[in-house]
Order: sequence, then C-alpha cells, then structure tokens
Amino acid sequence: SAVISQKPSRDICQRGTSLTIQCQVDSQVTMMFWYRQQPGQSLTLIATANQGSEATYESGFVIDKFPISRPNLTFSTLTVSNMSPEDSSIYLCSVAITRTGLNTGELFFGEGSRLTVL
Amino acid sequence: RKEVEQDPGPFNVPEGATVAFNCTYSNSASQSFFWYRQDCRKEPKLLMSVYSSGNEDGRFTAQLNRASQYISLLIRDSKLSDSATYLCGSSGGSNYKLTFGKGTLLTVNP
Repeated sequence: SAVISQKPSRDICQRGTSLTIQCQVDSQVTMMFWYRQQPGQSLTLIATANQGSEATYESGFVIDKFPISRPNLTFSTLTVSNMSPEDSSIYLCSVAITRTGLNTGELFFGEGSRLTVL
Repeated sequence: RKEVEQDPGPFNVPEGATVAFNCTYSNSASQSFFWYRQDCRKEPKLLMSVYSSGNEDGRFTAQLNRASQYISLLIRDSKLSDSATYLCGSSGGSNYKLTFGKGTLLTVNP
C-alpha cells in the first residue's frame, strides 16, 4: 500500500474563487488519479495525473476548470477553478499500486478534501 | 446504462446475519474487480480484490461471474463494525482506472 496525504482536508470557499488541493505520496507511483465524490453519488474519475505531461481528463471534465500538476512521481495538485456551489464535493487523490507482471493494480485513496462552496 | 451498478440498499441486518451484495458491470472488457469499504466521512479502503476463481478472506467472500457480468460480496456472521458503505469497482481493458458503483449502505444492528 501507500501513504497518501492530502491537504487541505476541508475548506469553505466563496463562489468564483479557486482552490488548490495537494496530494503527497510516500513512495514513487506511476499512476495517480483524481476522483470526485458528490453527496449521494459514486466516485467519479476526474483525470489521470501524468508525470511531466498534461493530465488526461475524463468526459465532462476540462483542464480549464480542473487544472492538474504532476511535477514528479510523488506529488500532484488539483485546482478547482472559478468555483460554484455545484463544485461542493469531496475530492480524492488516488494511486495505483501495481502487481508484478500484471497490467492492473489496486487503487488506494487519500483521506479526501471536503470542499464547500458558498 | 451506468457502467457499474449496485444494489441501492440500504441493508439493515442483525448481528450474526449473512448479507450479500451484487454489482453488475457493462464493460465486457473489464479485467479487474474490487470491493471497497467506505466509512462515514472517510476515504474508501480496499476490502478485497475479486479473482476469477472467487476468493475468501475470513468472513468475506467475493465472486465473479463473467458470463453474467456481475460480482458479489458475501459477508457472514455480520459484526456491528461491518456497518459501512460498500463500493464495487471495475477497471476496463488494460488500465488502472476504476469505475465505481454508487455504493450500498449496510447497517448491522445489535
């Protein structure tokens, strides 16, 4: 497994502002993702954070709204830009720990950042 | 049709009961399947990976039915501490991205 630290753990923000969430992993990981979990909804993948290149966004998510940085294999940030109340959610960083010889692995999550937009 | 669908629940069971959750997936290319447990206001934590042959870990048994495209989780002898939301996840093709169901809320009552 991996130890994943996110901050802030929670924040209350004003409409129109932006918030950057940081994710730090205690080991180098290739695959890092950002998920969102809105109240009563499933975890929804926002994007894959790629080290040294632009993130890969899922349908419905765009870079202008959710810019992501991944400067190295242990750190990533997600910014929620120009926030509205609809962005109120828990944002979770996750990493995939791969199994030797397999092309898939298990996903581990940070504790999440609970965002409330007023 | 959603890619991953779960029994909506909630499930309320007495201590000691056996409870089963099902989860269907629509992507026939999905390679890997998982069950996660999420406590209130906490992050999801991996409970079990689901293998083709099925697997068991103590009171928990996970099964995969590729023909019908569903996975199941069986919890025997439920404990109060099993109360949580259970999420199933599947990954499509040869990647690590997981798609999750909405989760099923389980409450085990004394």
